[in-house]
This record gives sequence, structure tokens and C-alpha cells, in this order.
Amino acid sequence: QKEVEQNSGPLSVPEGAIASLNCTYSDRGSQSFFWYRQYSGKSPELIMSIYSNGDKEDGRFTAQLNKASQYVSLLIRDSQPSDSATYLCAVRGAGGTSYGKLTFGQGTILTVHP
Amino acid sequence: KAGVTQTPRYLIKTRGQQVTLSCSPISGHRSVSWYQQTPGQGLQFLFEYFSETQRNKGNFPGRFSGRQFSNSRSEMNVSTLELGDSALYLCASSLDGDTGELFFGEGSRLTVL
Repeated sequence: QKEVEQNSGPLSVPEGAIASLNCTYSDRGSQSFFWYRQYSGKSPELIMSIYSNGDKEDGRFTAQLNKASQYVSLLIRDSQPSDSATYLCAVRGAGGTSYGKLTFGQGTILTVHP
Repeated sequence: KAGVTQTPRYLIKTRGQQVTLSCSPISGHRSVSWYQQTPGQGLQFLFEYFSETQRNKGNFPGRFSGRQFSNSRSEMNVSTLELGDSALYLCASSLDGDTGELFFGEGSRLTVL
């Protein structure tokens, strides 16, 4: 079992729709969870972080965390063509062995078509 | 505020050679992490440096090494290159490496022939 798994893509949604990206992780001790966006040919950039169970909203983005189910999700409302990118779920474990280390999922390619 | 700068951006090497990649973190950031990105394995953690000390290391062979200087700039070295080392090498900086909020450079794309 991979440490961080994301729903297989690619995911295609029409402009204005809600895009739902899912991620599960295996380490119950994980403390911090992140979503990074990577445009084709570019490096990853942080778009959301979440540390506590529940929802966290930032503009059109909502991250959801359920530690009991070891599940993280990202919802993108009113999807725009500019949201087309690969979305990477990343998990940070607990303790000193996690300095600078994130475990990434394989990524979900999202395409928003006009 | 300048971002993370990596050099060189592209390089081609042959098997058996060695390569050194450089990374300048965001001003004030003291932690530098290195990641390897390939289509098959995705993003994989190599190591992390803070105050010139390696604090964390991923599951890569000893051919992969790094260091950090007193100005927080970092270098990574890969010796005895193999075809499988072809990848995008990403450097990420953060204030202290104690969060997952990393700022990535544009990467150094290494091709090994």
C-alpha cells in the first residue's frame, strides 16, 4: 500500500463546476496535510494546508480532513480553465524525522474545459 | 522577495559522471530540502538541511549527497550517474523545515545518457 494515494485521474470538469480531489494516507501519526498545485513544466506551489479535522476554506478552495478515516480532500468551486494542473496531496509525519520531509501522492491531473 | 533559485536549469551527463546542483533559498529561510521528481515515482524526498546540518534523509543510495553553507545555500551531488537518475531535481526552502509549507524552485532537469 502506498503511503499517500490520490484518486486516479485524469479528472475533467466543465468550467464553473466543482472539482473534487481525494487523498488517503496510511500513517496514523501524520500531523499536517497539504495540497500543492503543479502546472505543466512548473514546480509545485502550496495552495492549502490543513491540520485539524473539518473544513478549511480559502476563496474557491476548501480542504477537508478526517483523521479517523485517514482522508483528505480538496474541493475547487467554480472551476476555471486556469485551475487545470496536477494537484498533489502531501502529508507530513510527526516528530523530528519529518524535518523538511513531505510524502507526496502521485498527483491527480485536473482539466477544466470551457 | 526573490524566490528559490536553482542552477543549472538543464544539464546532460553520461553514465558514470558526477553532477552538482545548486540551490539558493528564499532570504531568511534556513531549511533547504531536496526532492527528486520522475513520472514513475513522483516526488520523492532526498534530504533536508538546516544550519549546515543534515537533519533528515530519504531512501536514496549514498551516491546522493548534499551540503549546506553558512548563508543557507545548498548543493546536492550525485556521483557515478546512472540512467535512472534522470529526473527533475527540486529544491524547496522553508523558514525552519518544521512545517510542510515548502517553497519550491523551478528545478534542475538532469538527463543521463
